Amino acid sequence: GQQLNQSPQSMFIQEGEDVSMNCTSSSIFNTWLWYKQDPGEGPVLLIALYKAGELTSNGRLTAQFGITRKDSFLNISASIPSDVGIYFCAGRDNAGNMLTFGGGTRLMVKP
Amino acid sequence: DGGITQSPKYLFRKEGQNVTLSCEQNLNHDAMYWYRQDPGQGLRLIYYSQIVNDFQKGDIAEGYSVSREKKESFPLTVTSAQKNPTAFYLCASRQGSGWYTEAFFGQGTRLTVV
Repeated sequence: GQQLNQSPQSMFIQEGEDVSMNCTSSSIFNTWLWYKQDPGEGPVLLIALYKAGELTSNGRLTAQFGITRKDSFLNISASIPSDVGIYFCAGRDNAGNMLTFGGGTRLMVKP
Repeated sequence: DGGITQSPKYLFRKEGQNVTLSCEQNLNHDAMYWYRQDPGQGLRLIYYSQIVNDFQKGDIAEGYSVSREKKESFPLTVTSAQKNPTAFYLCASRQGSGWYTEAFFGQGTRLTVV
């Protein structure tokens, strides 16, 4: 089946630093999503991307839909302690019903 | 408030017993999904349902069963046939299958087999 490779697996950064994470796929997706999961909770949608090349921001978060349709990245600027959590990318293909999730990036922020 | 409610939050089960996890939504969403999450891993799809009285297997359906008798409810049964049931289970719902409609997740149920 389809696979999403998400990197890095974990990051430990200083408060105020910028963060970048990305996902690559072996196949094409028509939609890329980025979710954040706090410990013991369900994922919350941060950004949705629907068009190749699209660059979308949500506050300090910026995500881009790769032009090849096989990758996406998420940037977080000026990180703060509440950014701590696991960030997941997810892709949806032509069938449009199911999401494929990356393995997650665990972000830790040192005050 | 509209949302997705999963219950219970924590569940303990003896090996060999079936157990049912509840998922209820009042968002009037057509589609509902069940995912499994293991430590350090992404979400894997167990079952999904796009309309009442219909559901489809996901990537890891073996050892699980579901029903969709009402639009707002999509319970998941973890059967004794599931060899490694200890995991975090997440339910999600979505308005439909069209563009610009994305899934909302419940808060999850952590199942532990003892």
